[in-house]
Amino acid sequence: EIVLTQSPGTLSLSPGERATLSCRASQSVSSSYLAWYQQKPGQAPRLLIYGASSRATGIPDRFGGSGSGTDFTLTIRRLEPEDFAVYYCQQYGSSLVTFGEGTKVEIK
Amino acid sequence: QIHLVESGGGVVHPGRSLRLSCAASGFTFSSYAIHWVRQAPGKGLEWVALISYDGSYKSYADSVKGRFTISRDNSKNTLSLQMNSLRAEDTAVYYCARGRTTGIYGSDYFDYWGQGTLVTVSS
Repeated sequence: EIVLTQSPGTLSLSPGERATLSCRASQSVSSSYLAWYQQKPGQAPRLLIYGASSRATGIPDRFGGSGSGTDFTLTIRRLEPEDFAVYYCQQYGSSLVTFGEGTKVEIK
Repeated sequence: QIHLVESGGGVVHPGRSLRLSCAASGFTFSSYAIHWVRQAPGKGLEWVALISYDGSYKSYADSVKGRFTISRDNSKNTLSLQMNSLRAEDTAVYYCARGRTTGIYGSDYFDYWGQGTLVTVSS
């Protein structure tokens, strides 16, 4: 099982600032099969990024994904009020998919 | 518009059973693997089970193997999760999610999710 470790646990930022979220895998993720999701309270997760860097349909270009191997990053270029949420990474490079424990982006 | 709608959650005693359903619309249901993912209160996401597009392949998390059974009816665009021998640690919101595959069974990311249904296992 590939274990995903997300850091930091909580990120306190102001609207307009840049957010950088990290996801580290316990072993290399095949073919950069890494996705990112956003979840707001009381809502289902929403797909943001797949294949480490491809934005899902309708996702604004302020969201960007990068990385390969064991180290991946989600960057939110300029935080909008609606971006304050919890973000999860997920690897699907093996037949047993796993999620990270999440990073909460909160308003400073 | 793509929709996944879960139902069947509720409060159940430990050791009892519950059956969840997921109704799909807005896409060709029979072309996609569908997964169940759960989230315990205040916790992160945990993959639970998957069924291939045609029902020929099923896979389960170790935590539910032997107790949960996933099934689908492509003629009715519905997915089910039969949950037996429920435990307190099964308490969670259960989401059904559409899988986008890499070509390897189970190796999916999830592009559409339902709103979830809450299962509470408590005496």
